[in-house]
Amino acid sequence: QQQVKQSPQSLIVQKGGISIINCAYENTAFDYFPWYQQFPGKGPALLIAIRPDVSEKKEGRFTISFNKSAKQFSLHIMDSQPGDSATYFCAASKRAGTALIFGKGTTLSVSS
Amino acid sequence: DTAVSQTPKYLVTQMGNDKSIKCEQNLGHDTMYWYKQDSKKFLKIMFSYNNKELIINETVPNRFSPKSPDKAHLNLHINSLELGDSAVYFCASSQQGVETQYFGPGTRLLVL
Repeated sequence: QQQVKQSPQSLIVQKGGISIINCAYENTAFDYFPWYQQFPGKGPALLIAIRPDVSEKKEGRFTISFNKSAKQFSLHIMDSQPGDSATYFCAASKRAGTALIFGKGTTLSVSS
Repeated sequence: DTAVSQTPKYLVTQMGNDKSIKCEQNLGHDTMYWYKQDSKKFLKIMFSYNNKELIINETVPNRFSPKSPDKAHLNLHINSLELGDSAVYFCASSQQGVETQYFGPGTRLLVL
């Protein structure tokens, strides 16, 4: 039973384009929804996070859109750059100090 | 000035051996975690631990045991290693009451 479903598995975007990654969750007890970025050989690093009382959060070129009724959230990367090429994971957790439940990841390649 | 560090970075060993992975964080956090990332990059929680409680993921074999000598360290001991234990193991930490988890660089374990 996969609690957080992520799509697509891989994504190729041209430089300057918009990258969109989608996630859906099942457990309504989840209260925190972060996105992590992982480069090869490195650990995941927090990119941006949102709580369900907010429908959108923007930090620079990265935006999370959150739809509580649909139990879906997405990451939008505007003006995608080759340096954004990495694996992106959505995740969810119930409260501080509890496990992050990750989606299966999306490998993003931004072509120049 | 590394926030979460792990040693070793790489570990190659034979089936049946016992090994340990060490994790240290200098962020002053009081909750630490171990995650396993498999060959398909799927990240899954193994344990979460603070100075009061160890939470064991029920799917983790009892060959795996976390040990915390103090708040800044959480080591992972693995007995009787199996081929299926080959993966990248990530340590993470967070501050009590705060959801953000900071990940270490990972330990790549290969069991031959």
